[in-house]
Amino acid sequence: DAKTTQPPSMDCAEGRAANLPCNHSTISGNEYVYWYRQIHSQGPQYIIHGLKNNETNEMASLIITEDRKSSTLILPHATLRDTAVYYCIVRVLSGSARQLTFGSGTQLTVLP
Amino acid sequence: EAGVTQSPTHLIKTRGQQATLRCSPISGHTSVYWYQQALGLGLQFLLWYDEGEERNRGNFPPRFSGRQFPNYSSELNVNALELEDSALYLCASSLEKGSTEAFFGQGTRLTVV
Repeated sequence: DAKTTQPPSMDCAEGRAANLPCNHSTISGNEYVYWYRQIHSQGPQYIIHGLKNNETNEMASLIITEDRKSSTLILPHATLRDTAVYYCIVRVLSGSARQLTFGSGTQLTVLP
Repeated sequence: EAGVTQSPTHLIKTRGQQATLRCSPISGHTSVYWYQQALGLGLQFLLWYDEGEERNRGNFPPRFSGRQFPNYSSELNVNALELEDSALYLCASSLEKGSTEAFFGQGTRLTVV
């Protein structure tokens, strides 16, 4: 899987939008962008994924640039419970390397 | 619908012993993935099973092994335990055909003393 680059940490004020960037400049055409988060010592939680188009669900929005070399996860109204490590992962959905490969992620701290 | 369940939640073993960790996937999921997360470190991919077969393996020594049963549940075995094996072991499951997201269990905390 292509490697991703994320800032190690970010802060966000409660109620404001949290914008988490991710660079994946070597992404291949068949690789999807996935976002997971891990709240302290719990199992990672799926957030959202996309290939080319922007995606939105009840948790977040995913904005992928037209050249697909970077993306941004947006939590529209961050709460204290959104404090977690956020992982950006690129992944193929076929072949023998379909496992999620986690990097070091971004520690998001939502401040009251 | 029940999520991914792992047992035990905590396990304490002595160096040199063997540990067996268990994972029950979400009903209908055929793929099981195992990860190791040592304290303060990221998630390292260990093993992937689908339809009873090992499909891929991470960069871990052979004393880390496992299997998947006909009901798609899975075991992770760690032989000749070392102190550095102390970690949170996470299991995830997914549908294999057209799989999208993987769902994780809450993990087994293994402590080797």
